[in-house]
Amino acid sequence: EDKVVQSPLSLVVHEGDTVTLNCSYEVTNFRSLLWYKQEKKAPTFLFMLTSSGIEKKSGRLSSILDKKELSSILNITATQTGDSAIYLCAVDTGTASKLTFGTGTRLQVTL
Amino acid sequence: DGGITQSPKYLFRKEGQNVTLSCEQNLNHDAMYWYRQDPGQGLRLIYYSQIVNDFQKGDIAEGYSVSREKKESFPLTVTSAQKNPTAFYLCASSPAHRGGTGELFFGEGSRLTVL
Repeated sequence: EDKVVQSPLSLVVHEGDTVTLNCSYEVTNFRSLLWYKQEKKAPTFLFMLTSSGIEKKSGRLSSILDKKELSSILNITATQTGDSAIYLCAVDTGTASKLTFGTGTRLQVTL
Repeated sequence: DGGITQSPKYLFRKEGQNVTLSCEQNLNHDAMYWYRQDPGQGLRLIYYSQIVNDFQKGDIAEGYSVSREKKESFPLTVTSAQKNPTAFYLCASSPAHRGGTGELFFGEGSRLTVL
């Protein structure tokens, strides 16, 4: 059974801190790993990482895929209150056209 | 604007009643999905469809049914057989890239509460 595990489950930081969110996976066939941000209702896409694109960056957010360790990290530098959200990690196994999601990390950024 | 519309946003149901959640997309995507989200459990796949008139069960299909009569629409029925239906339901679509799913585009969700 495919499995995606995220840690920590929740995190509270002060504005300006840097945070690292973790995602590890055990899947039968890996095609890509995706990160989503869910602020209130609809998750929004952040990054997709593949064997040919193991590092992505957008502003204060960056993500790295470690295929050897079967894991990925999402870094957020200089956090702001607007970064407060649930961050979801998902793996595309390329089979049956579906993503397997982790439980998510709830991040709260306080003033 | 292109996107995915789910309705209703909030729904209350008595035990023993079937309810249907609507999902419409105008992104011209081939594939559509229904996920359920419970606290501490992430998103779990209920049903998905890669093409009109075809759909497959996901990981937790028991107590649910779907149809895909039009490319734009993928309604989900929560039947009375679903033992714990109170949850947040998310509909998504994707262009269904060859050999993989690619990015999913999500609706705003429907929160179902069974009284």
